[in-house]
Formats: sequence, structure tokens, C-alpha cells
Amino acid sequence: GAGVSQTPSNKVTEKGKYVELRCDPISGHTALYWYRQSLGQGPEFLIYFQGTGAADDSGLPNDRFFAVRPEGSVSTLKIQRTERGDSAVYLCASSPTAGVSPLHFGNGTRLTVT
Amino acid sequence: QKEVEQNSGPLSVPEGAIASLNCTYSDRGSQSFFWYRQYSGKSPELIMSIYSNGDKEDGRFTAQLNKASQYVSLLIRDSQPSDSATYLCAVTTGGGNKLTFGTGTQLKVEL
Repeated sequence: GAGVSQTPSNKVTEKGKYVELRCDPISGHTALYWYRQSLGQGPEFLIYFQGTGAADDSGLPNDRFFAVRPEGSVSTLKIQRTERGDSAVYLCASSPTAGVSPLHFGNGTRLTVT
Repeated sequence: QKEVEQNSGPLSVPEGAIASLNCTYSDRGSQSFFWYRQYSGKSPELIMSIYSNGDKEDGRFTAQLNKASQYVSLLIRDSQPSDSATYLCAVTTGGGNKLTFGTGTQLKVEL
């Protein structure tokens, strides 16, 4: 596709459940980023991939959060034992080259934990 | 100290005026600087990128960078109601590949 695609656009889950959020980056972009944005805040860095490997996962808040990018394209953000505090918009972005090129964002997944 | 700081606003300017948005950052090693615009309920979209000291102009937008003072600004000339949005400053940190965002400044352009 032409842009970064994120699915689902909305996800409502119960506290304690497991969720997966998917991101399909722009074709050819080697760098892929995950951010989390709460209301009234800027995007908060979670993790970024350069190719298949997680180059920096320092933003993951705890071990309930995990992300993979097994073939260097599509990425999945996985959240175990969800908590109400995990409710936010999860944004995925990609760029041709990490650090220098601007990020292109998807439309985000709005996660609501009840 | 936050890595990237912005005044949350709202900043209100009349239509046709110049809007000035400011951002300071703490990492002296930062090399790439970006301004994103975010409409309510939408994702951030890139407005400007700047990599060296000085001014960079693109249409009604001018980005200014001063690495010695660790600040970057965005000027919007001839502000339009459609410019009303939150403007996010983003700076590469942590060795250059991580993009850190400020909390954003809400801009309101009034008729």
C-alpha cells in the first residue's frame, strides 16, 4: 500500500486479556517504530526496529509488552495481561533510514482496556 | 528535565497573523529535528525537517534551529483557521536513531 497500515483501528478488551496490534510499513522502509499516545500528550517512544532486529526497546514500559518483526516488514506489538493504564492510541511509523529520515505514521490503533 | 519541551498552549492568533511555536531539547548530540502537525483524532503528519543551524523556509512555514542554545522553532505566516492543530516538536536522541517528541503546542487560529 501507499502508506503505513495499522490494524485494527479500534480494539476494546477486558483487563487481563492478551492483545496483538499489527503494523504494515511502507514498502522498502527498513526502520519501523512503535509509539504510544495518551490524550493531551505527545507520542511516547516504545521500540524501534532496523530490519528484523529490535535496535532500541528502551521505551517498553514492562515485560508485558513485546514486539516482533520476523521478516523485516510487518510488525506486531503484543501486550499480555492488559491493564486499564494501557489504554491509549498505539502509533506505528516507518522510515527509509533510522534517525535521519522523517517518520511516516499510520492511523493508529485505539486500545481501550475495560 | 524532559528531553523535549514545548509550551502546551493553547496559543491563539488571529487569522493572517504569524504564529510562533518554540521547542527546547536537552540532548546536545541531537542532529535531526522535525515539526509535525496533528489534528484532533488523527495521526501526526510531517510539516518540516531541519538538520543545520539557521532558517529553512517552505511556503508559509519557516523552521529555525539554534544548536548552541538547543532550541528549534516553527513560524507560520499568514495563519489560517485550517492551521488550528497541535504542533509536535520531535528530536533525534539516544545516539541518533530514536525520535523523541514533545507534548505538543495547541494552536488556535481565530477568525
